[in-house]
Parts: sequence; structure tokens; C-alpha cells
Amino acid sequence: QKEVEQDPGPLSVPEGAIVSLNCTYSNSAFQYFMWYRQYSRKGPELLMYTYSSGNKEDGRFTAQVDKSSKYISLFIRDSQPSDSATYLCAMSTNTGNQFYFGTGTSLTVIP
Amino acid sequence: DTEVTQTPKHLVMGMTNKKSLKCEQHMGHRAMYWYKQKAKKPPELMFVYSYEKLSINESVPSRFSPECPNSSLLNLHLHALQPEDSALYLCASSQDWWAGGDNYGYTFGSGTRLTVV
Repeated sequence: QKEVEQDPGPLSVPEGAIVSLNCTYSNSAFQYFMWYRQYSRKGPELLMYTYSSGNKEDGRFTAQVDKSSKYISLFIRDSQPSDSATYLCAMSTNTGNQFYFGTGTSLTVIP
Repeated sequence: DTEVTQTPKHLVMGMTNKKSLKCEQHMGHRAMYWYKQKAKKPPELMFVYSYEKLSINESVPSRFSPECPNSSLLNLHLHALQPEDSALYLCASSQDWWAGGDNYGYTFGSGTRLTVV
């Protein structure tokens, strides 16, 4: 079983839709949870990070962590064509010396 | 400056060539990383430098040789590569290897797209 599981998609939504991206994990020691956005042929860009459980909001983006279910989510409100990218979740333990990435979900927002 | 700069952006090399990838950051980050990313796959960790010392080598073949000349620079020397080594090579940095707080997470460069022919 992989440390981190993420549905690769592809996911296609109309502009303005609410997008939900998810990852599950198996290691209960994970404490740091991150979402990266990667445009085609570019490096990943850190979008959001959370520590332990709870929600974090930044503009149109909300990250949620449910440690009891070992499940994290990224919600994008009022999605825009510029949100079209691959979204990678990543996580690590308290020692933070190894990041475990999901496979990434490819998102297309259609104008 | 909040960027990680990688050069070159594209590289085509033969299997007998020797080339180097370069990475530079001026954010004062003390940890720097090399990742390899194949198409539609997540980044795979290759090397970690913490305070200019090699801290992790994820069983990478010796045809890849990392070097950290100073706290701002990271090189990856390539020699006798194989076609299956063609990939996007990403450099990243973070405040510390075990960083926490609001600056946690990597800053990635845009990568070097390497093609081995």
C-alpha cells in the first residue's frame, strides 16, 4: 500500500464550480499536510499547508485535514480556467525529513 | 528574492556526455533537494543537503553526482546517463530540513527538462 493515495483524475469542471480534491494516507504519524499546484512543464508551487487536524482558508482555497479518517481535502471555490493544473498533496511527520507526495490530480476548468 | 532558479531549462545530452544542472536560491534556506519527476508521476526524492552536507541519498545511481558548493548553490553532475533518465529534474529548498511554522514546505524551481538520447 502506498503511503499516500490520490485519485489522478482527470477532473474537468465548468468555470465557477466548486472543486474538491482529496488524498488518503496510511501513516498516522503524518502531522504536516501540504497542497502543491503544478502547471504543465513547471515546478510545483506550494498552495496551502496545515499542521495536524483542522481547516485553513486562503482566498478561494480551503484545506481540510481529518486525521481520524486519514483524509485530507482541498476545496477550490469559484474555479477559474487559471486553476487548470495538477494538484499534488504532500505530507510528512514531525521530524519533517521526508515528504510523501500523492500522484497528483489533473484539473481542467472549462470557460 | 523568493525564487529557486534552475539552469538550464532544457537539456539534451548523449549517453556519453557529461553535463551539470545548476540550482540557486537566495532565501537563506539551509536545506536543498534534488527531485526527479517523470510525466504524470509525483516528484521522487534523490538527494537532500542540509547545511551544505549530504544528508539523504535515496539509492541514486552513481551516474548522478550532487554537489553543494555553498549554502546558495546546488549542482547535479550527470555522466553516462541512460534514456530512462529522461525526466524533469526539480530543485527545491526549505528553511530547514525539519522546519515547522508558517514557512514550512518547499520552494521548487521550474525544473530542468532533461532528454537523454
